[in-house]
Amino acid sequence: DSGVTQTPKHLITATGQRVTLRCSPRSGDLSVYWYQQSLDQGLQFLIQYYNGEERAKGNILERFSAQQFPDLHSELNLSSLELGDSALYFCASSVGVRDNSPLHFGNGTRLTVT
Amino acid sequence: GNSVTQMEGPVTLSEEAFLTINCTYTATGYPSLFWYVQYPGEGLQLLLKATKADDKGSNKGFEATYRKETTSFHLEKGSVQVSDSAVYFCALSLRGAQKLVFGQGTRLTINP
Repeated sequence: DSGVTQTPKHLITATGQRVTLRCSPRSGDLSVYWYQQSLDQGLQFLIQYYNGEERAKGNILERFSAQQFPDLHSELNLSSLELGDSALYFCASSVGVRDNSPLHFGNGTRLTVT
Repeated sequence: GNSVTQMEGPVTLSEEAFLTINCTYTATGYPSLFWYVQYPGEGLQLLLKATKADDKGSNKGFEATYRKETTSFHLEKGSVQVSDSAVYFCALSLRGAQKLVFGQGTRLTINP
């Protein structure tokens, strides 16, 4: 058990809809990362937050947004969903932001857009 | 840009066989290198890491050596077990930036 909790485990929704994925980091970790895993693109870094502030942005679409709350949990919002957004979305956390401490991954949320 | 290239899978071996999964990288600066493993239905787990040239990371019988001259970080294990069946990801991170850049993953299946 990595200590990172993601909910829900599975999500099925229709095109054009909006969903929110939730992540609780490991106790003591201040940094949260979101990754998208799809068959054709592999594991893509989306965005990173550290102690409530955005620290790095990757291949995140404008239809997607995220935030980290004062209790350090994070949410990834996906809107105007398309079939191609179907993927496994992982959250990871680490202690710091520059110290090369390992990332701990949750078990992911599997999103299916129909 | 920064990227990681892994040998294509899937890889199928018999139990007790020798394993090598190749990984090469392109990076600006001096990255740290990682191998992560993903078991079915689970998230990624750190398997081993190396933070500078010639470092050897090892864990659970797996090893990988950071080779700066060949920009490689190949994963090896002398005798694989059925329980090693999983997807293996090579990854890098740059100094001062925690985010990981992953290779495409290699699916490994070990048959008894």
